[in-house]
Amino acid sequence: QITLKESGPTLVKPTQTLTLTCTFSGFSLSTSGVGVGWIRQPPGKALEWLALIYWNDDKRYSPSLKSRLTITKDTSKNQVVLTMTNMDPVDTATYYCAHSPSSTGPSAFDIWGQGTMVTVSS
Amino acid sequence: AIRMTQSPSSFSASTGDRVTITCRASQGISSYLAWYQQKPGKAPKLLIYAASTLQSGVPSRFSGSGSGTDFTLTISCLQSEDFATYYCQQYYSYPRAFGQGTKVEIK
Repeated sequence: QITLKESGPTLVKPTQTLTLTCTFSGFSLSTSGVGVGWIRQPPGKALEWLALIYWNDDKRYSPSLKSRLTITKDTSKNQVVLTMTNMDPVDTATYYCAHSPSSTGPSAFDIWGQGTMVTVSS
Repeated sequence: AIRMTQSPSSFSASTGDRVTITCRASQGISSYLAWYQQKPGKAPKLLIYAASTLQSGVPSRFSGSGSGTDFTLTISCLQSEDFATYYCQQYYSYPRAFGQGTKVEIK
């Protein structure tokens, strides 16, 4: 059974750096084709794709946020970490991590974490 | 970047209705299209991938069709638990854009 869980601060101040951790179980990020992604959702708004990291350390970012995002993985700990610099109130959102299964081609996100709400305010 | 546009943004329907939601990609994405269902306060749930393949455990009243730029999600007989917001997502290229969502409300 695959599970993912996001953790990190619930409140950050403007200009600070946000660090979120996705801790997962039921799969290995060393398995060929597997990936873990991050998606966010401001209150009452749509989903926004942020970043994705693959088993081979291939990393992809949203172009609009690329300069502020870093995604890394720790395979031994079954964790994926997302950092976002220079936080602003508009970054207030629920942040989700999700599993991208191994496939012969691109994959959708089949399992999602419960999400963690992050508020940016002074 | 590919943009995904859903229509309508919201609508009201009754239990038992057949409903259809449309998703259009700004350029061709083959069949790399997923549909998700999200209920208030919950994470999205994958319903359909590869435009028409039902995710394991998803009721057969859900179906998807389309390829290229135009896609549809159909619920053949709306149930009370189907009132939710639905999102499409392309995974043909990066960034893996989502549509703006379609909220299905009770009439």
